[in-house]
Formats: sequence, structure tokens, C-alpha cells
Amino acid sequence: QLQLQESGPGLVKPSETLSLTCTVSGGSISSSNYYWGWIRQPPGKGLEWIGNIYYSGNTYYNPSLKSRVTISVDTSKNQFSLKLSSVTAADTAVFYCASDPVFAFDIWGHGTMVTVSS
Amino acid sequence: EIVLTQSPATLSLSPGERATLSCRASQSVSSYLAWYKQKPGQAPRLLIYEASNRATGIPARFSGSGSGTDFTLTISSLEPEDFAVYYCQQRSNWPLTFGGGTKVEIK
Repeated sequence: QLQLQESGPGLVKPSETLSLTCTVSGGSISSSNYYWGWIRQPPGKGLEWIGNIYYSGNTYYNPSLKSRVTISVDTSKNQFSLKLSSVTAADTAVFYCASDPVFAFDIWGHGTMVTVSS
Repeated sequence: EIVLTQSPATLSLSPGERATLSCRASQSVSSYLAWYKQKPGQAPRLLIYEASNRATGIPARFSGSGSGTDFTLTISSLEPEDFAVYYCQQRSNWPLTFGGGTKVEIK
């Protein structure tokens, strides 16, 4: 059974880079026809898609974040990662990683809260 | 970017009642629409994909319908655990987008 787990700092200073990792267990991150995605949710608000990475390495980003986002895969560790640069308080959110076998986000991590504050 | 508009924002119903949630897309998404349920403090859970297919383990009281720009999620008889926020998401075009959510609350 596929499981995903986010990890990373819970507190990031303004203007710095937020870095999170999603560890995939119970399956291979190199599975064909799978995307791996990041979604965030500010406190009390709705879901916002950040970006996806395809098993082949192709990336797709939300245009509103594209200039600040990088998603990458480390197949040797069965992990994929998110970097969001130049963060502000508006980036404070719960960040989720999820698997996407083309049709929807079917398996989600529990989420990790990241607060941007000095 | 495809905008998804969910209505109503809040639905107040009693256990055992039928819930009908709407999701309207700003342009056609064919059948590439999914529905998720989220309870407080939890990650979203996939309910329906490709407009009408129930995800693994989802009870039959949940059903999805629609195509093009208009979609409906129906819960035939509300159970206590169904009171939550529901989101739709389109998988037709990049960027992927979510609707703003419908909260189903106990009346």
C-alpha cells in the first residue's frame, strides 16, 4: 500500500527558501504513468496546487508560483522534493504531497505545517 | 486557467438527508473532474475521479455525475462522518485547479 510522508522545517524566515521532502513507501517513485504532486492549504482556506513532477522528470507548476518553485525527484531515495524561494507570511500553510496516477490525487501525505516568520 | 466554482458555500442538513453539491467549470474539462472530502485536521481524501468513478473504499452513497462544465456530487443519505468540506478539482488542463469548497454542516 502506497504511503507518503512529508518532512522538513516547520518554521522558515521571510525571504528564505522553504524546503520539503516527501518520502514514498510501498511503491516505486519511478512507476510509469505516475505524477507526484505538492498542494498547500493556508490556515482556514482552500487547497492550492503547487506543482507536479512526472515519473520521467517533467515538471508542471502553478503559474502563480512558477518563478519561485522547484520540484525534483531522487529515485535512489524514493523521494521527491519541493523548494519555494523568497517566502513571505503569505506562504504559511499546510503542505501536502500526493500521488497522482494521471486521474486524480489518490494518496495524500498527512501534511506538514510550515510557518513563515522571523 | 480553468476556474472551478462550487455551490453552495455551505449546506446545512440533517443526518439521513440527501446532499447535492455543485461544481461548475469556466470551460469544458470533459470528464476529468475529481471530488475530495476533507475533515478538520486531516488530509483530503479522494472520493470520485473522472466525474463518476468511486475511489477505492468509498461507500456507494457517494455518487458523481456530469461532464463538460457542470458536475454534481450526491450523498444519498448523510452519515455523521460525512459532515466535512468537499472540494472539486479538474485534471483536464494545466495548471490543475481546485474549487473553493462546500462545507456540509449539521443542521
